[in-house]
Amino acid sequence: KAGVTQTPRYLIKTRGQQVTLSCSPISGHRSVSWYQQTPGQGLQFLFEYFSETQRNKGNFPGRFSGRQFSNSRSEMNVSTLELGDSALYLCASRAGGGGSYNEQFFGPGTRLTVL
Amino acid sequence: AQSVTQPDIHITVSEGASLELRCNYSYGATPYLFWYVQSPGQGLQLLLKYFSGDTLVQGIKGFEAEFKRSQSSFNLRKPSVHWSDAAEYFCAVGEGGSQGNLIFGKGTKLSVKP
Repeated sequence: KAGVTQTPRYLIKTRGQQVTLSCSPISGHRSVSWYQQTPGQGLQFLFEYFSETQRNKGNFPGRFSGRQFSNSRSEMNVSTLELGDSALYLCASRAGGGGSYNEQFFGPGTRLTVL
Repeated sequence: AQSVTQPDIHITVSEGASLELRCNYSYGATPYLFWYVQSPGQGLQLLLKYFSGDTLVQGIKGFEAEFKRSQSSFNLRKPSVHWSDAAEYFCAVGEGGSQGNLIFGKGTKLSVKP
């Protein structure tokens, strides 16, 4: 099976712009989570989507949003970019659903630089 | 609130030496525990996981970890380190049920001396 894919891999934006990142989960996985990784704050959970619904959300401002499509692909959007949004954004997929817990598999990430 | 602590920010070991990376967690119920590894500029690769049962779990690349409830620890071990093991290692705890978020430690960077 192909792994989690993220596009683009690298992105440079300027303050005030908005950006959209894309994630394709492992085939058959219905849950997609997003994380932000920075040297100062480490890995922080942004949100999780399952069956096109946001199921869980981390402590980030409303400028960070996401969505999931019927094929489980997910996008996250950051509006009004700030310098502090520069980070590696990681997407993770898991089978999700049911009563059992499933491990998450991560993509390679999108490196966002805000100038 | 749940938390994960990795006390060692950076560890250097000689190739062929044994390795132990420490992880302590704070979680009310029985946790779902994970170790991930990240090479520079890459995503996270799952090394091993603990959900329940045998407290000594085996993972990929010769790694193992032991869950000790009394110490709230989940330390990662490898008997003989290879130069290719140099990377950053993250311990994480997952909430159960439908909650998909992982709480990560700050990571331990491993350097390997030839």
